[in-house]
Amino acid sequence: AQKITQTQPGMFVQEKEAVTLDCTYDTSDQSYGLFWYKQPSSGEMIFLIYQGSYDEQNATEGRYSLNFQKARKSANLVISASQLGDSAMYFCAMREANTGGFKTIFGAGTRLFVKA
Amino acid sequence: DVKVTQSSRYLVKRTGEKVFLECVQDMDHENMFWYRQDPGLGLRLIYFSYDVKMKEKGDIPEGYSVSREKKERFSLILESASTNQTSMYLCASSSSGTRALYEQYFGPGTRLTVT
Repeated sequence: AQKITQTQPGMFVQEKEAVTLDCTYDTSDQSYGLFWYKQPSSGEMIFLIYQGSYDEQNATEGRYSLNFQKARKSANLVISASQLGDSAMYFCAMREANTGGFKTIFGAGTRLFVKA
Repeated sequence: DVKVTQSSRYLVKRTGEKVFLECVQDMDHENMFWYRQDPGLGLRLIYFSYDVKMKEKGDIPEGYSVSREKKERFSLILESASTNQTSMYLCASSSSGTRALYEQYFGPGTRLTVT
């Protein structure tokens, strides 16, 4: 069963606007972490933001925020004030504590295009 | 800055060849990982290692083996390359402890083509 679902293969956003990238997950573990990574065309994976399953507040890192809705099992990434450099592939990922934190499950990714 | 380097950015090999992909990290991390990335499938874990000479299978270990003789180096080996192993290969490392739950550092990737 797919554990991380990103339903948007590609998205467009106008520069300076906000955009939400969707991510839903499935786990029976109580302790887990949710992540977003950015992969520019150069190929490297860049860690953006982390949300722990027990964190009560939504994580924020600069222009990135994670809209965590535990009951709905969703962990959407919100990018405010999009920039041209935000054009990239974005991956949602999950690590379950019962795997010792070693196994990361990635979604299929969403390609974001920022228009000038 | 943490640095994870991979021996090649692009590699072309023939079917049946033995292929070595090398990964080196300079942050004294205990944990190292090999993923492959395919369109529409995201990243899938092939193998990981939590200590020197220790290795664990990931989700798709078939057709691959790994070697970790030194802490900083983690090698992925394709014993007999096949065309279905054409992919992007990403290496990552992380420290142990709670930060390991969320902080993995990735290399730039090796795009392997098997003809």
